[in-house]
Amino acid sequence: SQQGEEDPQALSIQEGENATMNCSYKTSINNLQWYRQNSGRGLVHLILIRSNEREKHSGRLRVTLDTSKKSSSLLITASRAADTASYFCANYYNQGGKLIFGQGTELSVKP
Amino acid sequence: ETGVTQSPTHLIKTRGQQVTLRCSSQSGHNTVSWYQQALGQGPQFIFQYYREEENGRGNFPPRFSGLQFPNYSSELNVNALELDDSALYLCASTAVPNTGELFFGEGSRLTVL
Repeated sequence: SQQGEEDPQALSIQEGENATMNCSYKTSINNLQWYRQNSGRGLVHLILIRSNEREKHSGRLRVTLDTSKKSSSLLITASRAADTASYFCANYYNQGGKLIFGQGTELSVKP
Repeated sequence: ETGVTQSPTHLIKTRGQQVTLRCSSQSGHNTVSWYQQALGQGPQFIFQYYREEENGRGNFPPRFSGLQFPNYSSELNVNALELDDSALYLCASTAVPNTGELFFGEGSRLTVL
């Protein structure tokens, strides 16, 4: 299977703490993306990092990419209860335009 | 700007039946992809349509088929439904050329009994 793995599968933290989620993938990538999903609803794109980039920031989000280890991490700083959701990483393949998603990390932020 | 809309939001079918799910892409987007998401799993790529042609396909059997119309809206058809087809079906659109960033609808939740 081409599907990557995310860890942890579930993460529970207090409001104000930082949350770190990791993602590993199996093949070379064009870019790697992170999406958020609230309780079985549609996915929302958070951030995209290209294969020639190592770090990217967007608001309270920080993404890193290590192509030698085929891994990425998503850091959410100063978490809020509203950040409670599932977070997915996805590799983008230029051929056929498909995204290969990981299994996701379920984040719970307690007030 | 109108986002991606999907219909119906929920439906229940019995094994062996056929189902059609519909998707209207975001304004200005000419590419539509469909994903299947089983409970507790990440979305799995079914196929993508660009200019009314299938542009890429995941590991799904031929009983999963699709259409894209001149206005870029799309349908996903599943024949001979099986219990394992129960899932959230997500439609996503993007513009070409693109970097792969997708804009998702809220999904159609299909239950097969």
